[in-house]
Amino acid sequence: GAVVSQHPSWVICKSGTSVKIECRSLDFQATTMFWYRQFPKQSLMLMATSNEGSKATYEQGVEKDKFLINHASLTLSTLTVTSAHPEDSSFYICSARDVARGNEKLFFGSGTQLSVL
Amino acid sequence: GENVEQHPSTLSVQEGDSAVIKCTYSDSASNYFPWYKQELGKRPQLIIDIRSNVGEKKDQRIAVTLNKTAKHFSLHITETQPEDSAVYFCAASIRNTDKLIFGTGTRLQVFP
Repeated sequence: GAVVSQHPSWVICKSGTSVKIECRSLDFQATTMFWYRQFPKQSLMLMATSNEGSKATYEQGVEKDKFLINHASLTLSTLTVTSAHPEDSSFYICSARDVARGNEKLFFGSGTQLSVL
Repeated sequence: GENVEQHPSTLSVQEGDSAVIKCTYSDSASNYFPWYKQELGKRPQLIIDIRSNVGEKKDQRIAVTLNKTAKHFSLHITETQPEDSAVYFCAASIRNTDKLIFGTGTRLQVFP
């Protein structure tokens, strides 16, 4: 299957700082990537859809100024958690499809565990 | 809005027994239904998927069935093994988008 790489795996930061998470499609081009958030023992909640070359579309209730998404190339999307607070602590995970191969299967990155002190 | 319900939330079985997880979706236009397995602290891994034009699909010990009329789909794991222990998520596509909405997850424990 398609390979999606996500970095970093773990981030511990102080309250008020910003954190950038990278998501890369390694062996395919992804015009669209998806960012999810997962709280412990809960499901995956879609935060936003990252669109290459255009603005991201956010799900209801997700603050776009809080969670900045940039998708500047066909293989890279970044999520920046701005002015992080303890309530932002969560597992963030990206995903993408290899649409060019007509593949509807969604593959996930390895996730980023964010802990805000 | 669109919704996917998943049951049970936890499931404990003896090694060798079968396990069944059920999901119900609300969007009649959903046409793609994947199942993911997630081990603690790791990424969800696609284990099987089914499209709406198929009623059943099998891959070794894993099978998925789909009832479009009832908007139900189920995951069946036969001859369970301890390494099958994980959280399983179902998902359904959202009409006119390439998004997926996920179920709430089922924690499966297989006891040796």
